[in-house]
Amino acid sequence: ELKVEQNPLFLSMQEGKNYTIYCNYSTTSDRLYWYRQDPGKSLESLFVLLSNGAVKQEGRLMASLDTKARLSTLHITAAVHDLSATYFCAVDSNTDKLIFGTGTRLQVFP
Amino acid sequence: EAQVTQNPRYLITVTGKKLTVTCSQNMNHEYMSWYRQDPGLGLRQIYYSMNVEVTDKGDVPEGYKVSRKEKRNFPLILESPSPNQTSLYFCASSTDSEYTDTQYFGPGTRLTVL
Repeated sequence: ELKVEQNPLFLSMQEGKNYTIYCNYSTTSDRLYWYRQDPGKSLESLFVLLSNGAVKQEGRLMASLDTKARLSTLHITAAVHDLSATYFCAVDSNTDKLIFGTGTRLQVFP
Repeated sequence: EAQVTQNPRYLITVTGKKLTVTCSQNMNHEYMSWYRQDPGLGLRQIYYSMNVEVTDKGDVPEGYKVSRKEKRNFPLILESPSPNQTSLYFCASSTDSEYTDTQYFGPGTRLTVL
C-alpha cells in the first residue's frame, strides 16, 4: 500500500529565507504532483513531475523528483508572505489512484 | 472560463437523509474524481471515473456512490449519511487518468451530518 509522508507538517519562516519541504513515498512511482491550498480555498496545481530527475521551477518555488530515493522536494527561495499556504504532494499509485500527503502548512512572517 | 463547479457549497443535514452533491466540468475532461479532506489526514480519494459509465473505488468508498452518465457530470451520492461523513469534499477533473495534465479542483462542499 502506497504511503506518502510530508515533513515538516508546520513551517514558520521569515521572509527572505530559504527552506525545503520533503515528500517521501513508500512504493515505486514516477509521477508526483504538488498542490497549494490557501485557507478556506480549493487546491491549485503547482507542479507535475513525471520522471526521475525532473525539476520544475515557478517563481520562488522549485520542485524536484528522485524516484530511486522515492523523494520529492519543494524548495522555497527568499520566501515572501504571499507564499503562506498549505502545500500538498500527491503520488500516483500506478493504479489510477492518487495518494496525498497530509500537507505542510507554511507561514511566512516579516 | 474553464472550471469545475460543485453544488451545494455548504450543507447541513441529519443522519440517514439521502443527499447528492453535484459536480460538473466544462473542459471535456475524461477523468473525474471525488476526494474528502479531513484535518490531519490530507485528501483521500473516494471514487474516480475514467470516462462515461466507468467508475472505480478510491481509498475510502464506503458509504458513497457515484455515477457518470455524462462526461461533464460526476455526482456524489450519500444514501444514508452518518456523522463520520462530515467533511470537506472536493471534485476534480483532468484530461486523462495518466495525470500527465493538471488536475483541476472544484471549490469544495462542506458537509455537516448531525
